[in-house]
Amino acid sequence: DTAVSQTPKYLVTQMGNDKSIKCEQNLGHDTMYWYKQDSKKFLKIMFSYNNKELIINETVPNRFSPKSPDKAHLNLHINSLELGDSAVYFCASSRGTGSNEQFFGPGTRLTVL
Amino acid sequence: GEDVEQSLFLSVREGDSSVINCTYTDSSSTYLYWYKQEPGAGLQLLTYIFSNMDMKQDQRLTVLLNKKDKHLSLRIADTQTGDSAIYFCAESIGGTYKYIFGTGTRLKVLA
Repeated sequence: DTAVSQTPKYLVTQMGNDKSIKCEQNLGHDTMYWYKQDSKKFLKIMFSYNNKELIINETVPNRFSPKSPDKAHLNLHINSLELGDSAVYFCASSRGTGSNEQFFGPGTRLTVL
Repeated sequence: GEDVEQSLFLSVREGDSSVINCTYTDSSSTYLYWYKQEPGAGLQLLTYIFSNMDMKQDQRLTVLLNKKDKHLSLRIADTQTGDSAIYFCAESIGGTYKYIFGTGTRLKVLA
């Protein structure tokens, strides 16, 4: 029944590696997002896709590449991981219209050693 | 500007009211929201208010919006220990899909 799911929940990796985080929503929403939450709990939008098209791309290093194979999925691939990439990454989805409530996944805690 | 500011911490006694404040800068906001984040979890929407409203009440929650001062507040009546969490205000920018979250307020409820 999970509305927005992310895998993995925890990811520990070495600097320089490449990793992916997957996100799926079963709400039928058209819009999906990736957010980064740092150790101080500040939440920043990274990307947003609407109907598989990129609509928001904040000033995120191009080591981060989102991919949306279909409306229900938005994956995040990160190349050449750096220490500063350690954070919790949240996926979210919304209808994109009206009140535009966002539904969040449980988060992926990425630790780069 | 796109800054949404909140006080970082608030501590209240169980049974008291809590008031969490938020100031935003983008006057083109269409909706303003309050989200709750419990430890180890994602954010969950508590309530939202349309930008042409002044107040919205939903059970123990009261949202006040002062559009002139760009000030939003969330009042929680009869605060319980289960209300301890981080509370984020957020605004959605009219005509875009963009959401801007506040800095978050960590509410601690003392028994």
